[in-house]
Amino acid sequence: SAVISQKPSRDICQRGTSLTIQCQVDSQVTMMFWYRQQPGQSLTLIATANQGSEATYESGFVIDKFPISRPNLTFSTLTVSNMSPEDSSIYLCSFVAGGPPGELFFGEGSRLTVL
Amino acid sequence: AQSVTQLDSQVPVFEEAPVELRCNYSSSVSVYLFWYVQYPNQGLQLLLKYLSGSTLVKGINGFEAEFNKSQTSFHLRKPSVHISDTAEYFCAVRSGNTGKLIFGQGTTLQVKP
Repeated sequence: SAVISQKPSRDICQRGTSLTIQCQVDSQVTMMFWYRQQPGQSLTLIATANQGSEATYESGFVIDKFPISRPNLTFSTLTVSNMSPEDSSIYLCSFVAGGPPGELFFGEGSRLTVL
Repeated sequence: AQSVTQLDSQVPVFEEAPVELRCNYSSSVSVYLFWYVQYPNQGLQLLLKYLSGSTLVKGINGFEAEFNKSQTSFHLRKPSVHISDTAEYFCAVRSGNTGKLIFGQGTTLQVKP
């Protein structure tokens, strides 16, 4: 199965700054997704990262706050902009293996703490 | 809109006892159902999935789940749990070809010696 890696695995950030999370898959995948897991909570879908076009955001998430890039079929980035303590979460990228209804694989996540 | 409800936020159980983690979903179309496990400070790992066919699905680590369309449920079971099963368990649903998963709130399984 494909391997997915995220960087950074964790970081401590200052209020008002921005951080970009990278997600790399070792094979080409069609669908990639970004999720947020707030402390003690479940996973909430932020957006679907589309290759060659703008990401599709879920209700409550906007491009200005969470800009996403997907330059090719193996790579995506999520930026958390103008961070506040409420953005302290684990951010996970994921992809579908083998096309729908294939299994969704997850990266290990990026644990962000905003002071 | 799809939704997933995990009826128990925490399930304490003694080692070697059976366990059932409950999951109900709502969807007006055909669904694909998943159970994921998250061990402390780790990512998500797929336990099992229901796509079609037999309603009883067997997964890794001795877990199984039964898809019940009439009750819109997908409960997870294990006949005898181990300390190492202590983790957070998430039920998720995906419908059609959207690819994205909707997760339940999670159930913390606490296995006691």
